[in-house]
Amino acid sequence: AQKVTQAQTEISVVEKEDVTLDCVYETRDTTYYLFWYKQPPSGELVFLIRRNSFDEQNEISGRYSWNFQKSTSSFNFTITASQVVDSAVYFCALSEGAGANNLFFGTGTRLTVIP
Amino acid sequence: EAEVAQSPRYKITEKSQAVAFWCDPISGHATLYWYRQILGQGPELLVQFQDESVVDDSQLPKDRFSAERLKGVDSTLKIQPAELGDSAMYLCASSTHRGVETQYFGPGTRLLVL
Repeated sequence: AQKVTQAQTEISVVEKEDVTLDCVYETRDTTYYLFWYKQPPSGELVFLIRRNSFDEQNEISGRYSWNFQKSTSSFNFTITASQVVDSAVYFCALSEGAGANNLFFGTGTRLTVIP
Repeated sequence: EAEVAQSPRYKITEKSQAVAFWCDPISGHATLYWYRQILGQGPELLVQFQDESVVDDSQLPKDRFSAERLKGVDSTLKIQPAELGDSAMYLCASSTHRGVETQYFGPGTRLLVL
């Protein structure tokens, strides 16, 4: 079974619009970590955020914000006032347990911001 | 800012040939990972090193793939012989130590097998 589901394959928005990328995860562990990475056309995965299962506080970093809800097993990512430079593939990932470090990635959401 | 280095960035080869990829992790990072990313999918772990030791290679196709990190610093991933289905992006990542530390990725090597 897929541990991380990103149901949105592709999203297109017009510049300055807000956009939310969905991530639903599945795990039986009580300790786990969630991540978001950005992959621009150059191919490198850029780390955006890490959140552990005991910290449900939402986080804001500039135009980026993350909403972690354990009740729905979701870790959604919102970009406010999108810009063309935000165009990329975004991956949500899960790491289970306190000692393991294998990342299970979703299939990614391709975001296109139209000028 | 320290980065993970990978080379080559692009590689085109014919099936049945041997290919090798190199990765130099961020200085001081004890844990190194190789991932394979097929077009349109998320990366999948091939092998994980802690210093020079392999800690997880359960998803590595050992009949044709090999990986080493002899001195616990840089690493080489080899495919011999390459098959058409090996066409993918090969990503290297590193983190400070085993445990749930953030993994930082290199630019990847795009492999095309003809």
